[in-house]
Amino acid sequence: DAGVIQSPRHEVTEMGQEVTLRCKPISGHNSLFWYRQTMMRGLELLIYFNNNVPIDDSGMPEDRFSAKMPNASFSTLKIQPSEPRDSAVYFCASSPRGWSRGGSSYEQYFGPGTRLTVT
Amino acid sequence: GENVEQHPSTLSVQEGDSAVIKCTYSDSASNYFPWYKQELGKGPQLIIDIRSNVGEKKDQRIAVTLNKTAKHFSLHITETQPEDSAVYFCAPGRGSTLGRLYFGRGTQLTVWP
Repeated sequence: DAGVIQSPRHEVTEMGQEVTLRCKPISGHNSLFWYRQTMMRGLELLIYFNNNVPIDDSGMPEDRFSAKMPNASFSTLKIQPSEPRDSAVYFCASSPRGWSRGGSSYEQYFGPGTRLTVT
Repeated sequence: GENVEQHPSTLSVQEGDSAVIKCTYSDSASNYFPWYKQELGKGPQLIIDIRSNVGEKKDQRIAVTLNKTAKHFSLHITETQPEDSAVYFCAPGRGSTLGRLYFGRGTQLTVWP
């Protein structure tokens, strides 16, 4: 398996522009998480989905952020309009969650991240 | 929600020495206690986890111990090697199909050759 795939790996944009980050989870995983990592705030959970349904979006900083999961193999995180303080590394993670052979598995598999710079 | 604290925030050891990182949490309902390792330029990766019905778990040079009464668990790395240098995160949570993990602020471990 290729693991969690994120695109783009790097994004540089100007303040006010729309940014769309993409994620393809591991096939068969039923949960998907979006995180943001900065030196100041550490690793923050923005939103997570279970079976394509958003479960908790309380970590989304403001209305400029939105996330969708139209099917089990694709999710997007959109920022519109972007601001310099949105600069961070954004990670997507997926998890099989629940019981499987050998016991329960709640491991989260992280993608390589998207480094976003807003100037 | 869960209040998670990790100590120390940075740790430097000589190659071959042991390293211990401690994580305290506040939610008594947490029952799943993993540790993640993040290497430079990569996403975090699970290295070991433990459930609340177990007090200790070992996997070669790494181990995790849990004190559920005191609400803390620790990562132990023995015979450290330079490739152990990374940021380590604890992430307690409720192991369920709808639960989430609460990541600590991380510990930067540096192993000097």
